[in-house]
Amino acid sequence: GQQLNQSPQSMFIQEGEDVSMNCTSSSIFNTWLWYKQDPGEGPVLLIALYKAGELTSNGRLTAQFGITRKDSFLNISASIPSDVGIYFCAGHSGNTPLVFGKGTRLSVIA
Amino acid sequence: GAVVSQHPSRVICKSGTSVKIECRSLDFQATTMFWYRQFPKQSLMLMATSNEGSKATYEQGVEKDKFLINHASLTLSTLTVTSAHPEDSSFYICSAGVFTVETQYFGPGTRLLVL
Repeated sequence: GQQLNQSPQSMFIQEGEDVSMNCTSSSIFNTWLWYKQDPGEGPVLLIALYKAGELTSNGRLTAQFGITRKDSFLNISASIPSDVGIYFCAGHSGNTPLVFGKGTRLSVIA
Repeated sequence: GAVVSQHPSRVICKSGTSVKIECRSLDFQATTMFWYRQFPKQSLMLMATSNEGSKATYEQGVEKDKFLINHASLTLSTLTVTSAHPEDSSFYICSAGVFTVETQYFGPGTRLLVL
């Protein structure tokens, strides 16, 4: 089945630093989604990407849908303590269910 | 934005009992809802797709007789864990698609602990 490789698995950064994480797939997706999950909560949709090459921002977050349709990245600029959490990428194509990456656990040191 | 609620937020039950979890879309109608399961420090695993007015579609390896899904209305889907056992203890999360099935909004999750 389809699989997503998400990296890095975890990150420890200083407050104010920029963060970058990415997902790659062995197959093509038509939609890329980025979610953030806080402990004990459900994932919250951050950014949805629908077109290859699309670059979308949501505040300090920027995500891009790779030209090959097999990858996507998420950048967070000027990180703050509330950015702490687990970030998941998810891809969708055709009639198959959403496929999730294994998550990037972000820790921000004040 | 689209709001999805779940009830209860956490439940503790004895082994052998059944537990029902509700998933509601509060400000939109959802013809399709999804049920996921998440173990500690793991990603989300899709259990089944719940379709309003029809039978749910279960993923491979998920027992449909153990995890009963009912999608009786456009705003409510329920997951019943029947004859729960300790290995069923997990975080169960539902989601619903708003304009498109692939853009899913998630509920806050239900933590189930089976003793």
